[in-house]
Amino acid sequence: GAVVSQHPSRVICKSGTSVKIECRSLDFQATTMFWYRQFPKQSLMLMATSNEGSKATYEQGVEKDKFLINHASLTLSTLTVTSAHPEDSSFYICSGQRGDNEQFFGPGTRLTVL
Amino acid sequence: EDQVTQSPEALRLQEGESSSLNCSYTVSGLRGLFWYRQDPGKGPEFLFTLYSAGEEKEKERLKATLTKKESFLHITAPKPEDSATYLCAVPGLPPSGGSYIPTFGRGTSLIVHP
Repeated sequence: GAVVSQHPSRVICKSGTSVKIECRSLDFQATTMFWYRQFPKQSLMLMATSNEGSKATYEQGVEKDKFLINHASLTLSTLTVTSAHPEDSSFYICSGQRGDNEQFFGPGTRLTVL
Repeated sequence: EDQVTQSPEALRLQEGESSSLNCSYTVSGLRGLFWYRQDPGKGPEFLFTLYSAGEEKEKERLKATLTKKESFLHITAPKPEDSATYLCAVPGLPPSGGSYIPTFGRGTSLIVHP
């Protein structure tokens, strides 16, 4: 199978702090990783596409200075939520792309900003 | 523009009552159609990939089929543990080129009552 891990699974932080979420493909190389945000009872909202060794491509309306994405290797991408505010509280999910179109998702990270 | 529409939005079944979920798609050049299962508070779990019309895949009580315009996820004699949100997605190329980006449907929320 194709396994993607995320860390941490849950994080609670104070308003104004930064939070880093890691996404790792454990048994395959992912040249492309995707970051999603999901609100309760809603579908996945694509935030950005991350390619190894290059700058991420952000979807319209997503602030690239607030959501910093780094894809340092073929198995690791990180999302840093900078100066987090309560409205950033959400469920963040990453996926790794195997080949040119297969997506495998991580278990998600629940972010709560107080 | 690639579009994916899932129906129904929600489905309630009694245990053992078979049914089907629909995923209609519009994409320029199909490079696979993917089905996922998502449980609350978790990332989507990969179920199937279908690549060509007429293709079918099975896994336990689930069978996915594909035509040129839609895909069905058939659930035979469902059990309460099949309760989840089922998502379908198709990868598409953005206008600017680059990586294939998945377009997701909004999902079908399935509840199976014992």
